[in-house]
Amino acid sequence: QQPVQSPQAVILREGEDAVINCSSSKALYSVHWYRQKHGEAPVFLMILLKGGEQKGHDKISASFNEKKQQSSLYLTASQLSYSGTYFCGTEMNAGGTSYGKLTFGQGTILTVHP
Amino acid sequence: DTEVTQTPKHLVMGMTNKKSLKCEQHMGHRAMYWYKQKAKKPPELMFVYSYEKLSINESVPSRFSPECPNSSLLNLHLHALQPEDSALYLCASSQELASPSTYEQYFGPGTRLTVT
Repeated sequence: QQPVQSPQAVILREGEDAVINCSSSKALYSVHWYRQKHGEAPVFLMILLKGGEQKGHDKISASFNEKKQQSSLYLTASQLSYSGTYFCGTEMNAGGTSYGKLTFGQGTILTVHP
Repeated sequence: DTEVTQTPKHLVMGMTNKKSLKCEQHMGHRAMYWYKQKAKKPPELMFVYSYEKLSINESVPSRFSPECPNSSLLNLHLHALQPEDSALYLCASSQELASPSTYEQYFGPGTRLTVT
């Protein structure tokens, strides 16, 4: 089942902050965040695991609320290079036929203007 | 070297053609993935290989046939495709396949496929 991202799009000026949310109706075991620029491959940003472990870039932060099955990506002091489409990928089952499988949300388009 | 390469970059094929997409990584990763991405949509998982064995097949039509000849290579063989199969096909790799999924995926630039 596809996670739901919000907002669908956000426009910022350089230096402004943004929060992108990713919600699931099912229990999550891990949440991955990727950014994809137009015409390019998705690039890894962050992994958040059930239990609080995180792995990712120093300048990007994220949270994972296990009770709410929700993750948020925090982009602070945005730069022009932050522009792109942000996808969360969620793992909803541990083991079984979906072992390690990620299902991506529909994406959030972030545009940063000078 | 954290690069995943894919060839060709663009492919146009007719519905009766047979073609193959190729993906290569030299990071020593043991999990490799094929995704399909339509314009303005998220990547959709098609297949996952773990240690050169097919681990996940997301009920993909048989006109798509994956192959993992060794730990560095992943192919996707295409036959009798439909126009609706036109999309960007992304390959990715990760250190291992794990649950919970603790390893980031490295994506290649993709092959843009057009079926006429």
